[in-house]
Amino acid sequence: EPEVTQTPSHQVTQMGQEVILRCVPISNHLYFYWYRQILGQKVEFLVSFYNNEISEKSEIFDDQFSVERPDGSNFTLKIRSTKLEDSAMYFCASSEWEGRVFFGPGTRLTVL
Amino acid sequence: GQQLNQSPQSMFIQEGEDVSMNCTSSSIFNTWLWYKQDPGEGPVLLIALYKAGELTSNGRLTAQFGITRKDSFLNISASIPSDVGIYFCAGQADAGNNRKLIWGLGTSLAVNP
Repeated sequence: EPEVTQTPSHQVTQMGQEVILRCVPISNHLYFYWYRQILGQKVEFLVSFYNNEISEKSEIFDDQFSVERPDGSNFTLKIRSTKLEDSAMYFCASSEWEGRVFFGPGTRLTVL
Repeated sequence: GQQLNQSPQSMFIQEGEDVSMNCTSSSIFNTWLWYKQDPGEGPVLLIALYKAGELTSNGRLTAQFGITRKDSFLNISASIPSDVGIYFCAGQADAGNNRKLIWGLGTSLAVNP
């Protein structure tokens, strides 16, 4: 069964460094998302992406964040200058026209 | 903003018992989704609901989309140890190209064998 994949599974970085989290959504899906989950808390929406542009972003998704779909398969989240509070699990997700949203296994980001 | 209240926050049951959890919203959703998340892993979609009043099953799981479109419940029958995990409801308002999910806080389920 097709699934969303994410790399790396765990990223450790120093505060102030740039990180890029990578995702390969399910191939025939049209909507792409990034969510994050701080340890022990609920999943939080970051950004949705459709037709090669951001369709909505949350307050969390400030100027330090950006997304890109550089080719027909990858979807990336970049954090330009990481902060300690960016430490979380970051989930990529994708969906077709209907409401079923499928999530990847996540990237655990640790900012030291 | 939109809020989802999910209850109970946690449950500790005996193997074989049935489980029920629910979510209520302050606003209307067009889609309700139920996910299960194991520690350190991504949410896994269990059931998707698209119409008010819809009742859908997936094995021992049954979920319903409330008539008012502001609530949903998930039932698990005859629980087994592998049902342990955190269950999340998520609602989607589905306005145009915005398909973001609003999440409940989760129900943590523990099953005593």
